[in-house]
Amino acid sequence: GAVVSQHPSWVICKSGTSVKIECRSLDFQATTMFWYRQFPKQSLMLMATSNEGSKATYEQGVEKDKFLINHASLTLSTLTVTSAHPEDSSFYICSAADRGSNYGYTFGSGTRLTVV
Amino acid sequence: GDSVTQMEGPVTLSEEACLTINCTYTATGYPSLFWYVQYPGEGLQLLLKATKADDKGSNKGFEATYRKETTSFHLEKGSVQVSDSAVYFCALSDPGGAQKLVFGQGTRLTINP
Repeated sequence: GAVVSQHPSWVICKSGTSVKIECRSLDFQATTMFWYRQFPKQSLMLMATSNEGSKATYEQGVEKDKFLINHASLTLSTLTVTSAHPEDSSFYICSAADRGSNYGYTFGSGTRLTVV
Repeated sequence: GDSVTQMEGPVTLSEEACLTINCTYTATGYPSLFWYVQYPGEGLQLLLKATKADDKGSNKGFEATYRKETTSFHLEKGSVQVSDSAVYFCALSDPGGAQKLVFGQGTRLTINP
């Protein structure tokens, strides 16, 4: 089946630094990927839709300059949290739409970001 | 806008008990409906889905039927196991074609032996 690899699975960084999270579709091409944020014991909040070869579409209230998304190829999207602060600590999950599977959405395993 | 409402958790059951997690939705058009499961510290895994009214999705003993008349997609299992302990999310796809998923708030299920 479709597999999405997300890396790293966890990261601890200092305030003010930037962190890059990668999301790769391993066995299918994903023209569209999605980035979610999940707070403890809460649901997933869609942050942005990443489109291969074009700018990402951000949801209302999500800072574009804070959360940089790049989708340079059909198998890779990256989320960079710039100038991270403790309030950015969260669980980030990516998802890719597998057009070969009717309405198939495959999720990565998530990245636990802790900013200290 | 589109929304999904799940029954409040947490839900605690004994092994072999019957499970129902309610899910209702609001959407324009005809969305596809999904149940996802999240184990501790992991991402989401698709449990089952239904793409049109009256479809029944099933997997690993879980079932859910797409009820257009009641705008519901309740998750059921006749006999739960300890390994079913997880957080369950009901979701719908954006019928407008943007492929976005809208999630319910999640229901934490704990099964005791």
